[in-house]
Amino acid sequence: LAKTTQPISMDSYEGQEVNITCSHNNIATNDYITWYQQFPSQGPRFIIQGYKTKVTNEVASLFIPADRKSSTLSLPRVSLSDTAVYYCLVGDMDSSYKLIFGSGTRLLVRP
Amino acid sequence: GAGVSQSPSNKVTEKGKDVELRCDPISGHTALYWYRQSLGQGLEFLIYFQGNSAPDKSGLPSDRFSAERTGGSVSTLTIQRTQQEDSAVYLCASSLAYLSTDTQYFGPGTRLTVL
Repeated sequence: LAKTTQPISMDSYEGQEVNITCSHNNIATNDYITWYQQFPSQGPRFIIQGYKTKVTNEVASLFIPADRKSSTLSLPRVSLSDTAVYYCLVGDMDSSYKLIFGSGTRLLVRP
Repeated sequence: GAGVSQSPSNKVTEKGKDVELRCDPISGHTALYWYRQSLGQGLEFLIYFQGNSAPDKSGLPSDRFSAERTGGSVSTLTIQRTQQEDSAVYLCASSLAYLSTDTQYFGPGTRLTVL
């Protein structure tokens, strides 16, 4: 069964850049990597998606190395409102295309 | 509708009772997913539907859990003989198709409390 691994928690300060890395050793050839953000008492919300190299949108950047066994979500100049749990999502090649969320990283942004 | 809706938003029940949780996906979305999230924990994948079919039910925690989807739209997650460990937020999501490239849109969840 494919597995993703993320740090349980991270602390940062307003204005800093935050990088959260997800390991996904069994990612399938055709799978994309997607990151979601979840605030308390809400469902997760899509942030960014990529297949390889680098993807950037108005919210974040996603860096994926050539072997695709990991990915790094980069949040530039975080603010207090970025305090949330961040999930990494990839396809599960061992289990008939089941999608598995990572354990999530709880990011706390301090003033 | 504009987004995924779930009902009820909160459900308090007594141990041993049956409960039904409802999910209305975004119109036109063929894939629908159920997740469970216990307090302070990550998302636990339960089951997904492609149209009305659920190809893989192995994620359901026990045979007390069942789910169905009718008309390629509304889905119901049923928990029979509820136990206290069933207390959690049950989240539903839908996507255009069942592909890792398709964004999953989540509903607000149903908070289930089993006394």
